[in-house]
Amino acid sequence: EVQLVESGGGLVQPGGSLRLSCAGSGFAFSSYWMHWLRQVPGKGPEWVSRIRSDGTSTSSADSVKGRFTISRDNAKNTLYLQMNDLRVEDTAVYYCARGLLPTANNYFDPWGQGTLVTVSS
Amino acid sequence: IVLTQSPATLSLSPGERATLSCRASQSISNLLAWYQQKPGQAPRLLFYDASNRATGIPARFSGSGSETDFTLTISSLEPEDFAVYFCQQRSSWPQTFGQGTKVEIK
Repeated sequence: EVQLVESGGGLVQPGGSLRLSCAGSGFAFSSYWMHWLRQVPGKGPEWVSRIRSDGTSTSSADSVKGRFTISRDNAKNTLYLQMNDLRVEDTAVYYCARGLLPTANNYFDPWGQGTLVTVSS
Repeated sequence: IVLTQSPATLSLSPGERATLSCRASQSISNLLAWYQQKPGQAPRLLFYDASNRATGIPARFSGSGSETDFTLTISSLEPEDFAVYFCQQRSSWPQTFGQGTKVEIK
């Protein structure tokens, strides 16, 4: 069974940092583009960042560029999101997701169960 | 690219037909997906490339459309279909989602 499990969320003050992790299992992790998305309750999801299967190419949304860094360790089947200079508006449930297709712009299947990040003083 | 979903809420009874709309602010060919999300769960992929059913999705669900106008149809609502549905485009960066349509029990 394909599974993605996020961890690392929590409460952080504005300006603080968090690192999210996403452990993949049940599939050839090193063969897939991987993505981070986030969702504020009651809103549509927002794509945050993506990384190529071999880690050589990354891209992030303008809203997080320069503050968030995506990375992966294919030996550990794990995806990461380093989040720095967090803002109140970064508060959301963060999901990792596998890219459906071998392309940068993608669909997402499956998604992890999500981890809540709350930025508040 | 902005995706506009309508209606925001659809109140229907089990067994009824549901028709959900997603309109793109510019042509996206057929590069659109639909997702279903239930409370407390992650979104689940239903369709990609407008009409390709994802693995395990029942035949009562169908997707159609191209360019700027897309439709998700549920031919006969089952109790487990009451949820929020999102559309998403991959035609251009960044990938964007609609705001969702909630299908609720009437």
